[in-house]
Amino acid sequence: DAKTTQPPSMDCAEGRAANLPCNHSTISGNEYVYWYRQIHSQGPQYIIHGLKNNETNEMASLIITEDRKSSTLILPHATLRDTAVYYCIVRVGGDSSYKLIFGSGTRLLVRP
Amino acid sequence: DVKVTQSSRYLVKRTGEKVFLECVQDMDHENMFWYRQDPGLGLRLIYFSYDVKMKEKGDIPEGYSVSREKKERFSLILESASTNQTSMYLCASSLWGTGASYEQYFGPGTRLTVT
Repeated sequence: DAKTTQPPSMDCAEGRAANLPCNHSTISGNEYVYWYRQIHSQGPQYIIHGLKNNETNEMASLIITEDRKSSTLILPHATLRDTAVYYCIVRVGGDSSYKLIFGSGTRLLVRP
Repeated sequence: DVKVTQSSRYLVKRTGEKVFLECVQDMDHENMFWYRQDPGLGLRLIYFSYDVKMKEKGDIPEGYSVSREKKERFSLILESASTNQTSMYLCASSLWGTGASYEQYFGPGTRLTVT
């Protein structure tokens, strides 16, 4: 699986958009980009995933660059409850898609 | 809502004890996983199972075994607990299939302390 690089920490003001970057320059054509987050003392929570196209769901938007070497997770209106560690993961799809490799993630602090 | 539950949130055991961690999911998922999470090391896969009675070793299976007798239940067993197995243990489940890649749903975790 390709490795990812994320900034160790970020902060943003409540109500503003939080843009979390991720570099995955060695990603290959069949690898998906996944985002999870982990709020303190809880298990990781799935947020969103994508392959090539940008994706949006009720939690966030995922913007993947055309060369797929980087992506950005956007929380459009961050709240205090979005304070968490955010993990960017790339993973092969298909039968062997069992493995998630969590790196250190980005610790997002949403300020009041 | 997918629900993955773990038998205990906190557990304290003595060195040498046999420890059972239970995980149950209610979404009829084929895949189930056990991870441990340690500061600075992230989440590491211990074992996973893609079907009843089937199991595969993850990255760090030493000192652990697993059991999956029913589809909804996946147990992690520490045969003889040691202090270096003090950790947060996380269970997850997912669908299985070809083509698309399926997200994993995690339980709340069990914080195990071995003294």
